[in-house]
Amino acid sequence: KAGVTQTPRYLIKTRGQQVTLSCSPISGHRSVSWYQQTPGQGLQFLFEYFSETQRNKGNFPGRFSGRQFSNSRSEMNVSTLELGDSALYLCASSFLTGGPYNEQFFGPGTRLTVL
Amino acid sequence: AQSVTQLDSQVPVFEEAPVELRCNYSSSVSVYLFWYVQYPNQGLQLLLKYLSGSTLVKGINGFEAEFNKSQTSFHLRKPSVHISDTAEYFCAVTREGAQKLVFGQGTRLTINP
Repeated sequence: KAGVTQTPRYLIKTRGQQVTLSCSPISGHRSVSWYQQTPGQGLQFLFEYFSETQRNKGNFPGRFSGRQFSNSRSEMNVSTLELGDSALYLCASSFLTGGPYNEQFFGPGTRLTVL
Repeated sequence: AQSVTQLDSQVPVFEEAPVELRCNYSSSVSVYLFWYVQYPNQGLQLLLKYLSGSTLVKGINGFEAEFNKSQTSFHLRKPSVHISDTAEYFCAVTREGAQKLVFGQGTRLTINP
């Protein structure tokens, strides 16, 4: 089974631009979560989607948004980029079993550099 | 809310020596605990998890961790490390029914020959 894939792997943008990152979950997984990883703040939860609905959101400004499509693929968008948005953006997918916890499988990430 | 503190940002050890990476957590509710590993230019890989039951948890690559509720700790150990264990290690916590993981700041493990 193919793992979580993220595209593109690397991206360079300039301040003020916007960017869209894509995540394809493992086949059959319907929950997708996004995390931002920076040297200063570490790994922080952005949001989680399940069945095209945002179920949970982290403490990020409204410039960060996301969506999920009917095939469970997810995109996240960052508008009006700032230098501080430079980070590794990680996507994780889960198969929700209804149990107490559903393991998250992480993709390789998209490295965004804002100049 | 939950929080995680990894007590060491860097841990250098010699090859074949034992290692312990320390993790303390804070939560007002019961939690689930995890250790992830991140190799350069890669995503996170789950090493082991504690959901319930035995407080000693064994994971992949010879790692194990012990859940200590009274000390709110979940330290990761390996009796003998290899060069290939060089990576960054993250402790994480979540609560029942949640998908959101709260991570510690990470510990960079460097293995010297």
